[in-house]
Amino acid sequence: DSGVTQTPKHLITATGQRVTLRCSPRSGDLSVYWYQQSLDQGLQFLIQYYNGEERAKGNILERFSAQQFPDLHSELNLSSLELGDSALYFCASSSGQPNSPLHFGNGTRLTVT
Amino acid sequence: LAKTTQPISMDSYEGQEVNITCSHNNIATNDYITWYQQFPSQGPRFIIQGYKTKVTNEVASLFIPADRKSSTLSLPRVSLSDTAVYYCLVGADTGRRALTFGSGTRLQVQP
Repeated sequence: DSGVTQTPKHLITATGQRVTLRCSPRSGDLSVYWYQQSLDQGLQFLIQYYNGEERAKGNILERFSAQQFPDLHSELNLSSLELGDSALYFCASSSGQPNSPLHFGNGTRLTVT
Repeated sequence: LAKTTQPISMDSYEGQEVNITCSHNNIATNDYITWYQQFPSQGPRFIIQGYKTKVTNEVASLFIPADRKSSTLSLPRVSLSDTAVYYCLVGADTGRRALTFGSGTRLQVQP
């Protein structure tokens, strides 16, 4: 158990809809990362937060947004969903110190129909 | 962030030692090298991390030559349960840079 909790585990929704994915980092970790993994693909970095502030941004679509709250949990919002957004979305956390390893949750599987 | 290159796939048999090499020619002075293991439909799991020479833990060994432009993950006596995708990542949480994984190496262990 990595200590990172992601909810929900599965999400099925229709095109055009909006969903929110939630992540609770490991106790004490200040950094949260979001990754997207499509079927049989690698891990695509979306965005990172550190102690509530955006720290790094990947190729995150404008339809996607995220935030990290004062209690350090994070939410990833996906709107105007398209079929191609179907994927596993992973959250990871780390202490925020340089070179600290990432600890991943087990992901949210999003299916857009 | 240093770009990494790994073999796309490898095959092995149970009980053999497996070595997976990752190239990272433009590694920065302060970057560490970290390896992760991912099973289907699960999040990647931290295996081992090192800066130089050799690091060993209960799961694997990591060999890093003096120039640090490559690293080798060594899995001793693999079993079927070691079938997974292995990623090397150079640098971790180093500030305002995207933490981007490479394509990973798909290891298939046969009986």
